[in-house]
Amino acid sequence: DQQVKQNSPSLSVQEGRISILNCDYTNSMFDYFLWYKKYPAEGPTFLISISSIKDKNEDGRFTVFLNKSAKHLSLHIVPSQPGDSAVYFCACLGAGSYQLTFGKGTKLSVIP
Amino acid sequence: GAGVSQSPSNKVTEKGKDVELRCDPISGHTALYWYRQSLGQGLEFLIYFQGNSAPDKSGLPSDRFSAERTGGSVSTLTIQRTQQEDSAVYLCASSPSGYTDTQYFGPGTRLTVL
Repeated sequence: DQQVKQNSPSLSVQEGRISILNCDYTNSMFDYFLWYKKYPAEGPTFLISISSIKDKNEDGRFTVFLNKSAKHLSLHIVPSQPGDSAVYFCACLGAGSYQLTFGKGTKLSVIP
Repeated sequence: GAGVSQSPSNKVTEKGKDVELRCDPISGHTALYWYRQSLGQGLEFLIYFQGNSAPDKSGLPSDRFSAERTGGSVSTLTIQRTQQEDSAVYLCASSPSGYTDTQYFGPGTRLTVL
């Protein structure tokens, strides 16, 4: 049973527009959420995170929104750039835990 | 400074053979994790080492999988009698002290079992 779902396997966005990547989770014990970005032949790199006590965290062009009641988080990238083209993984962490539970990823393509 | 390194980057083996995958974590990081990513899947947790504590092996899929961490630094993941379903990218990560610390990933080892 998948605890973290990224329902869109791929997304194409025009350069300069907003990219919105979505993630849903089922485990109510998750209280820390992260986004990782992965280029081909490289390991995932940490992008941004949010604690369950917040509903928004912003870092430059990247903003993560958390809706705890809906068990939903999203990553907004604005403006999108061709270098943002990668696979984005949502990951969740339970309180006092260290095991990241990952979604299957969404492949973002930013078209110049 | 140097990131997490893994070797080999690619490994092709025949079904039934044993393989060893190596991970060098970031110097000073006490926590080390192994994950694997099968085709079309997200990352799947395998095992976690934290300092001198007993490792959490709860994610290992079978007893053919084992891992050790020598001297609190380098780790080796061993897969015995490999099967085709073991084909995946095996990723190692380290973090300063575990829990909500950011995990830094290596580039992975792509294992192909023929």
